[in-house]
Amino acid sequence: KQEVTQIPAALSVPEGENLVLNCSFTDSAIYNLQWFRQDPGKGLTSLLLIQSSQREQTSGRLNASLDKSSGRSTLYIAASQPGDSATYLCAVTMNRDDKIIFGKGTRLHILP
Amino acid sequence: DAGITQSPRHKVTETGTPVTLRCHQTENHRYMYWYRQDPGHGLRLIHYSYGVKDTDKGEVSDGYSVSRSKTEDFLLTLESATSSQTSVYFCATGLTEQYFGPGTRLTVT
Repeated sequence: KQEVTQIPAALSVPEGENLVLNCSFTDSAIYNLQWFRQDPGKGLTSLLLIQSSQREQTSGRLNASLDKSSGRSTLYIAASQPGDSATYLCAVTMNRDDKIIFGKGTRLHILP
Repeated sequence: DAGITQSPRHKVTETGTPVTLRCHQTENHRYMYWYRQDPGHGLRLIHYSYGVKDTDKGEVSDGYSVSRSKTEDFLLTLESATSSQTSVYFCATGLTEQYFGPGTRLTVT
């Protein structure tokens, strides 16, 4: 059974620093991996989607990498801002028609 | 934004009463999902649908039923609400990339 783990559960970082959020999964035979952002009291917003054949995806100050063989993904946030404060969730899909399996998220707080 | 709305956004109900939550999408996505989100458990799949009248159970389906009579609407029903069903419920659509609604906060007293 696929399990997705995100450590740490919470992280506080001073504004302006670069940071990395980690995601690991137990079964490396994934179809794709997705990073989401969730603001308090809100739904999830998709940030980046990495197909199994890809190594990374970039959007603005965000860069997500995927290493299937080691069962790991990282989300790199450059020059962090207070507006980046949110919970970030990692999720994997095993097959094209399969359900998404979520990690429990990392709650990020950027200190002004 | 995939044009997903949920109603109601907040609801307080008593134990034993039936409750129906509605999800409406404007993107014509074939797949729709209901999740619940609880502290310490993250997001858990309740039921999903892969087409009109085609539904299947997720990992926490006990006590819930769903219906999909139109592509755009996916209903989640709690036949007899219990306090353990107090949660935030999210609807999502899409397949390999999912889009989420704003959530419904349900409190069962």
